[in-house]
Amino acid sequence: AQKITQTQPGMFVQEKEAVTLDCTYDTSDQSYGLFWYKQPSSGEMIFLIYQGSYDEQNATEGRYSLNFQKARKSANLVISASQLGDSAMYFCAMRERSLQGGSEKLVFGKGTKLTVNP
Amino acid sequence: DSGVTQTPKHLITATGQRVTLRCSPRSGDLSVYWYQQSLDQGLQFLIQYYNGEERAKGNILERFSAQQFPDLHSELNLSSLELGDSALYFCASKERVNTGELFFGEGSRLTVL
Repeated sequence: AQKITQTQPGMFVQEKEAVTLDCTYDTSDQSYGLFWYKQPSSGEMIFLIYQGSYDEQNATEGRYSLNFQKARKSANLVISASQLGDSAMYFCAMRERSLQGGSEKLVFGKGTKLTVNP
Repeated sequence: DSGVTQTPKHLITATGQRVTLRCSPRSGDLSVYWYQQSLDQGLQFLIQYYNGEERAKGNILERFSAQQFPDLHSELNLSSLELGDSALYFCASKERVNTGELFFGEGSRLTVL
């Protein structure tokens, strides 16, 4: 079974500084995908960034970048120039494929609550 | 706006009752996923449908059932509700061919009293 571990229940960062949210994963698959989602207090799940296991470059989307270290099985999210609106829960997820029926789903970590201080 | 619509947004009911949560996926998406988010369990995968057929089942209780209709909207039925069923229920849809990113609805918050 695949597993996602987020070891930081909560993180604090000063506005305009960068912050790294940790994520490690466990899989025996050669092909997999890693995702980060943001969940503000309003509750919706917002997709931030994706990294494929065969992608050679680290993914970037605006102020978000994914520090992908395949050998260490880590996929940390880096948020640069933090803003007050970045305060939210952040979830790391991995695409899990089923051998039967070709289905796939996302398996989520427990999340990290980020607080950006003014 | 993800394009996934869920109703109702909030629902308060009593133990033993039955509720139905509804989801309309993004236009053109054939896959629908249901997730449950509770405080102590995080985001748990319940079930997936693809073009009307059940594709994968996760930690879904026997008291819960789901279906996807020909117009691709989906319903999650929760019966004999217990206090522990109080949670945020998400529906998500996925494009046929892409990275596997799920587009989530805003969720239905169920409170069982």
